[in-house]
Amino acid sequence: EDQVTQSPEALRLQEGESSSLNCSYTVSGLRGLFWYRQDPGKGPEFLFTLYSAGEEKEKERLKATLTKKESFLHITAPKPEDSATYLCAVKRSGNQFYFGTGTSLTVIP
Amino acid sequence: EAGVTQFPSHSVIEKGQTVTLRCDPISGHDNLYWYRRVMGKEIKFLLHFVKESKQDESGMPNNRFLAERTGGTYSTLKVQPAELEDSGVYFCATARGTGINTEAFFGQGTRLTVV
Repeated sequence: EDQVTQSPEALRLQEGESSSLNCSYTVSGLRGLFWYRQDPGKGPEFLFTLYSAGEEKEKERLKATLTKKESFLHITAPKPEDSATYLCAVKRSGNQFYFGTGTSLTVIP
Repeated sequence: EAGVTQFPSHSVIEKGQTVTLRCDPISGHDNLYWYRRVMGKEIKFLLHFVKESKQDESGMPNNRFLAERTGGTYSTLKVQPAELEDSGVYFCATARGTGINTEAFFGQGTRLTVV
């Protein structure tokens, strides 16, 4: 059965304290792994797409990596404005997204 | 470029009533998806339109849900009659294509509460 699991469910960091979020998946016919950021009352906002093991992408303080079984979202020296829920989704044949439940990140000044 | 717009942002209805949610896609996006997040659970796929045609409706929970996309522009999702378990946030997402490099853009969601 296709499954996407994110950990931890919630994460509190001090400003400047780097950490990583995990997304593990078991999906047949993977066509991409997507990271989204969601702020309260808003829809998911696209961050990255990763397609093959070993691929890495960076955007400001965020860096996403992909292996055959999991993806990590590394946050370097986070700021309070990075506080949000980070969602991982996989796209398989059929074009629908399978989402994890998300990691709620709070960065304390 | 305007983003994906959903109406209403919130809706509170009584069990047994009917509610219609609307999604206006980004212009030129032929692919339109409906997703739903119930409390404490992950966002789940409901269905996928390509223009006005239903490409995949495998995620629709039951026949109380009816989605339409007349003319291949905006889409509506009707729930009739609504039940308590239908409460959640309904997201619409649109994409220009379905290729491997295509990202989907999400609306802000409609929060539906059935009481």
